Amino acid sequence: NAGVTQTPKFQVLKTGQSMTLQCAQDMNHNSMYWYRQDPGMGLRLIYYSASEGTTDKGEVPNGYNVSRLNKREFSLRLESAAPSQTSVYFCASSPDGAYGYTFGSGTRLTVV
Amino acid sequence: GDSVTQMEGPVTLSEEAFLTINCTYTATGYPSLFWYVQYPGEGLQLLLKATKADDKGSNKGFEATYRKETTSFHLEKGSVQVSDSAVYFCALGGGTSYGKLTFGQGTILTVHP
Repeated sequence: NAGVTQTPKFQVLKTGQSMTLQCAQDMNHNSMYWYRQDPGMGLRLIYYSASEGTTDKGEVPNGYNVSRLNKREFSLRLESAAPSQTSVYFCASSPDGAYGYTFGSGTRLTVV
Repeated sequence: GDSVTQMEGPVTLSEEAFLTINCTYTATGYPSLFWYVQYPGEGLQLLLKATKADDKGSNKGFEATYRKETTSFHLEKGSVQVSDSAVYFCALGGGTSYGKLTFGQGTILTVHP
């Protein structure tokens, strides 16, 4: 089915470990986004990529890096995981942000 | 900057009750407004949207009208069902944050039989 695919769905890390969250979309969208969702905080933008080859910081970028590998793929890397990064992470894509997003099903990350 | 404020929840209703979830926004320019729904264990899905003042978005019995004079986009449904239990997010796109959506904090809705 067309849409946004995130891997993995669940992950447990130890403090200090690194990992990469993968995201791919097959809708030929220009823009892609990474959000984190925490209880009572709504969704907060970590990084976004308005088009292939560009990335920009969002509201909460500290502790994260991103790569827009090509038009389809946008990965999020945690270099040294901290318990404060325990969250649900969502990737989204859009042809143009003013027209709304398509979201992936999320990655539930726990850092112990 | 742009911001979205939703009514605090959670909201608990009986089946067939009337639902209103309030949403107000702050933005410059002419933003588009959205409601997203998140069912348990899933990602967010677009429920409805409105792209200009006085537009009414509607889907699955839900409605919301873009009110520029009151900077509001309240979500309503005349008769809720148990299957409507979910988290609802109001969001704003455009304005000063072109290409990015700004989300409210979400409202948890629980509908009992």
